[in-house]
Amino acid sequence: QKEVEQDPGPLSVPEGAIVSLNCTYSNSAFQYFMWYRQYSRKGPELLMYTYSSGNKEDGRFTAQVDKSSKYISLFIRDSQPSDSATYLCASGIQGAQKLVFGQGTRLTINP
Amino acid sequence: DADVTQTPRNRITKTGKRIMLECSQTKGHDRMYWYRQDPGLGLRLIYYSFDVKDINKGEISDGYSVSRQAQAKFSLSLESAIPNQTALYFCATSRSLGLGGTGELFFGEGSRLTVL
Repeated sequence: QKEVEQDPGPLSVPEGAIVSLNCTYSNSAFQYFMWYRQYSRKGPELLMYTYSSGNKEDGRFTAQVDKSSKYISLFIRDSQPSDSATYLCASGIQGAQKLVFGQGTRLTINP
Repeated sequence: DADVTQTPRNRITKTGKRIMLECSQTKGHDRMYWYRQDPGLGLRLIYYSFDVKDINKGEISDGYSVSRQAQAKFSLSLESAIPNQTALYFCATSRSLGLGGTGELFFGEGSRLTVL
């Protein structure tokens, strides 16, 4: 079993929809949680970074972490075609500074 | 210019050949990583280096070797390539926490390797 599990999709939704992307993790020592976005033929880029349980909002994006259930979520409001990409969740331990990635979810927003 | 540069971007080779993928960075980060990306498997860590004299195996290091020639350069070698090493390879960098880093990784644009 992978330490970070993510449904690879693909996921296809109409423009304007609310998108929910989810991951689970198994290592209780994980302290920080990230979402990366990867466009086709590009490297992943950091989208959201959270260090604790709760919500973090940045524009149309909200990252949510529930450490009690080891569940990580990313919500995209008012989704746009430009949001079409692969989204990767990642978790890590502060001292180790090594990230463990989920499988990535390929998202398509249809105009 | 990209902060993390990988060469070559695309490479087709044959089984048994030796291949080197190179990575250079201008971000001044001390830590460098090599990941492999496969459909359905996500990013998996091959090797990482926290310093010029530091080399560590990741979760899938078999069949690979690395060299950290300088703080800014980290190369990945496949001594005898095999078809199941066909994948997209990413180099990444980060700054250690002691130097103000946050744990964020900065990725290159990837090197697509096909082994026939």
